[in-house]
Amino acid sequence: AQTVTQSQPEMSVQEAETVTLSCTYDTSESDYYLFWYKQPPSRQMILVIRQEAYKQQNATENRFSVNFQKAAKSFSLKISDSQLGDAAMYFCVWFSGTYKYIFGTGTRLKVLA
Amino acid sequence: EAGVAQSPRYKIIEKRQSVAFWCNPISGHATLYWYQQILGQGPKLLIQFQNNGVVDDSQLPKDRFSAERLKGVDSTLKIQPAKLEDSAVYLCASSWESSGSFNEQFFGPGTRLTVL
Repeated sequence: AQTVTQSQPEMSVQEAETVTLSCTYDTSESDYYLFWYKQPPSRQMILVIRQEAYKQQNATENRFSVNFQKAAKSFSLKISDSQLGDAAMYFCVWFSGTYKYIFGTGTRLKVLA
Repeated sequence: EAGVAQSPRYKIIEKRQSVAFWCNPISGHATLYWYQQILGQGPKLLIQFQNNGVVDDSQLPKDRFSAERLKGVDSTLKIQPAKLEDSAVYLCASSWESSGSFNEQFFGPGTRLTVL
């Protein structure tokens, strides 16, 4: 079975600092995608960043970047220059055409002013 | 472009009552998903529609949950009768199409259900 594990239920970061959220997954498939989704208190889930498993280069979107270690099945999210608006629940998500979306349990990020 | 719409936003019912949720996906999106998000957990897929056909309902508790998307546009999810453990946020999402390749899912704001 495909599983996604987020071992950090909650993280805090000072405004303007950098924080890294961890995610590991388990799969026997070779072709899949990984995502980080953000769910602010209003509950509308928003895609933050995505990584195709066949790409070695780590994805980057402005202040958000990932560290994708395929052999280790690790997919961490780094948020640089944290802002108050980054406070949210962050979900690590695994996707394949066969198994669809598998969500982790989430990490609640608090940004301290 | 308008996002995924859901109603109601909140619903409180007593156990054994029935409840229905409505979702209107982004215009043109062929695929529609219903997720259940229990407090402290990630969303779990309940059912996936491709146009008006069911693609995956393997995790839908069919003895009490039902869903339909009759015209391939909006969808309703029903629970009858509700149990205490059905208390959760029900999220609807849509995407252009799903044929094994990735298409970004766009989520609605969800409906928070409380069963007393």
